[in-house]
Amino acid sequence: KAGVTQTPRYLIKTRGQQVTLSCSPISGHRSVSWYQQTPGQGLQFLFEYFSETQRNKGNFPGRFSGRQFSNSRSEMNVSTLELGDSALYLCASSLGRKSSYEQYFGPGTRLTVT
Amino acid sequence: QKEVEQNSGPLSVPEGAIASLNCTYSDRGSQSFFWYRQYSGKSPELIMFIYSNGDKEDGRFTAQLNKASQYVSLLIRDSQPSDSATYLCAVSFRDDKIIFGKGTRLHILP
Repeated sequence: KAGVTQTPRYLIKTRGQQVTLSCSPISGHRSVSWYQQTPGQGLQFLFEYFSETQRNKGNFPGRFSGRQFSNSRSEMNVSTLELGDSALYLCASSLGRKSSYEQYFGPGTRLTVT
Repeated sequence: QKEVEQNSGPLSVPEGAIASLNCTYSDRGSQSFFWYRQYSGKSPELIMFIYSNGDKEDGRFTAQLNKASQYVSLLIRDSQPSDSATYLCAVSFRDDKIIFGKGTRLHILP
């Protein structure tokens, strides 16, 4: 079974631009979560989508948004990029059932904002 | 405030010894607990999950959960140099959010 895929793998943007990242979950997984990983803050939860609905949200500003499509693929968007948005963005998929929260991560998208 | 605490390390363990990694969490109602291994430059890889009090063994790995003490640990037996990585503890809280600790860097000494 294919793992979680994320595109693009690397991205360089300038301040003020916006960016869209894509994630395809493991086949059969209906939940997709997004995380931001930085050396100082570690892995921070952005949001989770299940069956095209945002089920949970972390403490990030409204510039960070996401969506999920009917095939469970997900995108996240960051508008008005800031230097502090430079990070590794990780997507994780799971079956999404209660009491079954094992998540499997994709390779990540490394975003650099200059 | 949801918190998952880990000692950042580095934890240095001789090859062949037992590595013991610890994690505490703030919500007594948490139900699911996970250990991930992350090599430098790679994404986290799920290695263990545990839902019930007690021990769960998988090969050289043992996860131990004590809900009364809000404590979960990971033991790695017969440590190998390939076990050198950062180990992340993750906990699902009552609102179903999964919060990660900042990780413990483990270094296995050949």
